[in-house]
Amino acid sequence: QVQLVESGGGVVQPGRSLRLSCAASGFTFSSYGMHWVRQAPGKGLEWVAFISYDGSDKYYADSVKGRFTISRDNSKNTLYLDMNTLRPEDTAVCYCAKSASGGSLGNWGQGTLVTVSS
Amino acid sequence: DIVMTQTPLSSPVTLGQPASISCRSSQSLVHSDRNTYLSWLQVRPGQPPRLLIYKISNRFSGVPDRFSGSGAGTDFTLKISRVEAEDVGIYYCMQSTQFPHTFGQGTKLEIK
Repeated sequence: QVQLVESGGGVVQPGRSLRLSCAASGFTFSSYGMHWVRQAPGKGLEWVAFISYDGSDKYYADSVKGRFTISRDNSKNTLYLDMNTLRPEDTAVCYCAKSASGGSLGNWGQGTLVTVSS
Repeated sequence: DIVMTQTPLSSPVTLGQPASISCRSSQSLVHSDRNTYLSWLQVRPGQPPRLLIYKISNRFSGVPDRFSGSGAGTDFTLKISRVEAEDVGIYYCMQSTQFPHTFGQGTKLEIK
């Protein structure tokens, strides 16, 4: 079955960087687009970024454009999110999700917590 | 960006009774390929989001048939025919017709 496992979260100071990873298994990773979505404490879901199956297309939320970079390594079945110039408002649980039918986000990982604080 | 607006934001429901959540988009969600990419997700306490419905009315794998979706253009509805205790959580609509994808604010479903 589809499994997505995020890692790399933690506590980081404002202005610093962090790299999140999402290890995928149970499906042909190289055939699917992938997303990052986050949820700040007590807030709703916020879509963050998308990468196409081959990495040729990438899209970002305005709130992270220019600071975050989504990438993937299909040989390692792994999705990444490089987060630079982190701000306190980036504090959130970050989920990776697999594209599914009809442009939806069909399978989700358990999430990894990113805390930006001095 | 497309703004998604859900109503109500909170919905107390009696077990076994129906529930309904509305979602309105700031512009039509009909894609140039004629599909409408509107989905519904459920977030139970302490769990990651779960896809319920995609393309307005298609139930995702394993989703009980008491969940149904309807609508067109800019107005959409999620219905639960008979609420069960396990349905407690927050429900989100999401559009993936256009980037950036956007979510509604969420509707909290709770038992009376």
